[in-house]
Amino acid sequence: GAVVSQHPSWVICKSGTSVKIECRSLDFQATTMFWYRQFPKQSLMLMATSNEGSKATYEQGVEKDKFLINHASLTLSTLTVTSAHPEDSSFYICRVTSGDNEQFFGPGTRLTVL
Amino acid sequence: AQKITQTQPGMFVQEKEAVTLDCTYDTSDPSYGLFWYKQPSSGEMIFLIYQGSYDQQNATEGRYSLNFQKARKSANLVISASQLGDSAMYFCAMKKGYSSASKIIFGSGTRLSIRP
Repeated sequence: GAVVSQHPSWVICKSGTSVKIECRSLDFQATTMFWYRQFPKQSLMLMATSNEGSKATYEQGVEKDKFLINHASLTLSTLTVTSAHPEDSSFYICRVTSGDNEQFFGPGTRLTVL
Repeated sequence: AQKITQTQPGMFVQEKEAVTLDCTYDTSDPSYGLFWYKQPSSGEMIFLIYQGSYDQQNATEGRYSLNFQKARKSANLVISASQLGDSAMYFCAMKKGYSSASKIIFGSGTRLSIRP
């Protein structure tokens, strides 16, 4: 069965609203969680790396005030897209690694901003 | 800086034929790992195969094999006896080092279409 879940799997929202996406590791403690964004017909681009209890490290060009990441526990990381606009419409995927270097991807969240 | 290059945006292959998807990489680190993932239209990332930079033998997983040419910095994926279900996007990826905290960067992908 799935070892990483994402919620919601898809979301449609109005421009200007904020959207929270959850990434959960189901059967293990995640040492590190990574957030990726994938625009249609493009590759996965790393947005940020988060470790439990510490601030996320953002990739160059990713606005940390717009994409808020909270890694409150060893099984949960959240990505909040604040004041979403149509250009933020994308597929957001988390990747989770465990202490023994296993890694798993979440099923992804498709965000559509109207 | 690390870089992954996939030069084939799309490929068409007849069912049951073998197919090679190209991937070259660039890194100055001696320790790295190379991955191939399959992404069907559902969007999930499916792990196919992994090759460590110090692995002496090419990795194999069922119908998948990785043709690792370290000196040429290439890590091509070979799929033998292709099936209709192999139609998907395929991404080559690289990880610096072996730490669980290491980032993985992806190539631009190759869309593989299998013809019946």
